[in-house]
Parts: sequence; structure tokens; C-alpha cells
Amino acid sequence: ELKVEQNPLFLSMQEGKNYTIYCNYSTTSDRLYWYRQDPGKSLESLFVLLSNGAVKQEGRLMASLDTKARLSTLHITAAVHDLSATYFCAVDNSGGGADGLTFGKGTHLIIQP
Amino acid sequence: DSGVTQTPKHLITATGQRVTLRCSPRSGDLSVYWYQQSLDQGLQFLIQYYNGEERAKGNILERFSAQQFPDLHSELNLSSLELGDSALYFCASSPSGRGNYGYTFGSGTRLTVV
Repeated sequence: ELKVEQNPLFLSMQEGKNYTIYCNYSTTSDRLYWYRQDPGKSLESLFVLLSNGAVKQEGRLMASLDTKARLSTLHITAAVHDLSATYFCAVDNSGGGADGLTFGKGTHLIIQP
Repeated sequence: DSGVTQTPKHLITATGQRVTLRCSPRSGDLSVYWYQQSLDQGLQFLIQYYNGEERAKGNILERFSAQQFPDLHSELNLSSLELGDSALYFCASSPSGRGNYGYTFGSGTRLTVV
């Protein structure tokens, strides 16, 4: 059974600081996704990582994937308050998308002025 | 607007009842996925349909069923509802049965069982 672990589960940080969220998964997969969720809202797709070594950046967020280590990271640079949200990583169960996604528990991020 | 439409947005019903949640995928997407989000279980994959056929099952209870119609919209039927079924139910769609282009989520249906 595929397990996806995120850490930390809760993160309070100050504006302007850098931090990294980690996502480990238990079985072979080369497809990993990062989503953002605001309270009571839907899941917004941030990054789709489809191969080993994939690195994608959007604004202050950068995500990477190491399939050999079964690890993805979401790095936040010079955090701003608007990035406060819950961030989820998710892994394709079969590597082919046919069995849905297994999600981590989410990282609840609060960025304080 | 993500392009994935879910109705209703909110639903309050009593234990033992049956409800139907509806999802219209993004235009051109053939796959529909249903997920349940609750505080204790987190986000869980329930079931996937691809072009009208069931493709994969996750942690879906026997009291729950789904189908995808020829126009590709999907319905999730929840019966004999229990308090523990209270959750946010998301529908997601993708162009194919694979995740190459990611998955687009709808805004969800919040189900409250009283």
C-alpha cells in the first residue's frame, strides 16, 4: 500500500524567511503533484512533476522530485502572507494515474508579518 | 473557476438517507475521480471512471456507488448515510486515465449528516 508522508504537518513562519516542506512516499512512482488548499476551498494545482530530477518554479515556490530517494520538496523563498494555506503532495498510485492519487496529510502553513 | 463543476455545494441530510452528488468534468476531459476529505481520514481516493467505464476503486464503501454518463458527467450516490459520512466530497477530472497533465479539482460538495 502506497504511503505518503509530509513533514512538517504544521509550520508557522515569518514573512521573508525561507523554508522547505518534505514529501516522502513508500513505493516506486515517477509522478508527484503539489496542491494548495485554502480553508473550505478546492485544491489548486501547483506543480506536476513527472520524472526523476524534475524541478519546477512558480513565483516564490519551487518543487523538485527525486524518484530514487522517493522524495519531493516544496521550497518557499522569502515567504509572504498570501502563501498561508495548506499544502498537499500526492502520488499516483500506479505510476500511470489509473488508480487515483494518494495524498499526504497536508502541511498547514501560517506566515506571519 | 477550474472548469470542473460540482453540485450541490452544500447538503444537509439525516442519517439513513440517500443523496446524489453531481460532477461535470472540464471540457475535453474523459476521466472523473471522486475523493472524500474528512478531518480524521484526510483526502481519500474513492473511485475513477474513464469514458463511461469504471477504471479503479479506492476506499469506497459498499453503501456508495458512482457512474459516468455518456455526456461524461458523473454522479456519486451515497446511501444509508451515517454521521461519519459527513465530509467534503471532491470530483477531479483529467484528459485521460493518466496524470500527465495533472488533475483538476472541482469546488466540492460539503455533506453534513445529522
